[in-house]
Amino acid sequence: GAGVSQSPSNKVTEKGKDVELRCDPISGHTALYWYRQSLGQGLEFLIYFQGNSAPDKSGLPSDRFSAERTGGSVSTLTIQRTQQEDSAVYLCASSDAGTVYEQYFGPGTRLTVT
Amino acid sequence: GIQVEQSPPDLILQEGANSTLRCNFSDSVNNLQWFHQNPWGQLINLFYIPSGTKQNGRLSATTVATERYSLLYISSSQTTDSGVYFCAAAPGGFKTIFGAGTRLFVKA
Repeated sequence: GAGVSQSPSNKVTEKGKDVELRCDPISGHTALYWYRQSLGQGLEFLIYFQGNSAPDKSGLPSDRFSAERTGGSVSTLTIQRTQQEDSAVYLCASSDAGTVYEQYFGPGTRLTVT
Repeated sequence: GIQVEQSPPDLILQEGANSTLRCNFSDSVNNLQWFHQNPWGQLINLFYIPSGTKQNGRLSATTVATERYSLLYISSSQTTDSGVYFCAAAPGGFKTIFGAGTRLFVKA
C-alpha cells in the first residue's frame, strides 16, 4: 500500500513568512509524528498525535511552531514568522497504535529560510 | 528524559568486512527501532526490536532490554550499506528519541 507522503518536497521562503508543511500518513495508522533534522544532525522530536488524545507538543522549539491533525488523518505543521535557524528537513512518520509502535517515515520536506 | 547514545560515531570499512554498531539507552523502553538513512535522506526501517534477536539477510540485531542496549550487526558489508544508521527508543510507546547516529562508509 501507499507509504507516508509529504508535501512540498522542497520549500524556500523568506525570513518572517509563514509556512505550512503537510503529511499524509499510512492509511489506518492512528499515530503521527513530526521530527526535524538539521544538516548533518540526528532527528529531533517535535510532536506526536495519537487518536483522539491531546497531542504531545513537548518537542516544539517555540510558540511559532504549531501542528494540527484533521479527521485523524492528514497533519499540517505550521511555522510562523520563519527564522533562518528553522532551515532543516522536516520529517513525518506514522505508526499503528496497537502493541507494535513501528514508525514509517515519509521522504521529508526540505525547508530553506533565506 | 531518556538518553540514547550510539557508537561509534563514524566507521570506515573495506567491502566484505563485518561490523557491530551499538545503542545504549538510559531507561526501559517498549519501542526500539534501527533505521538506515540513505544518501538521499530517506529513512529505511531495518528492525523493530524492543527485545530479543532478529535477522534479515546480512543484517541482524539484538536488544538486551534488561541491560539497556541494542546491537546492530552488518556482515559482508557492501558499498550500498553506506549511510547513517540511527537507533530510536521510546520509553512509553510514542514520544521517540533518536541517537546521534553512526556514519558508515564502505570502501570498494
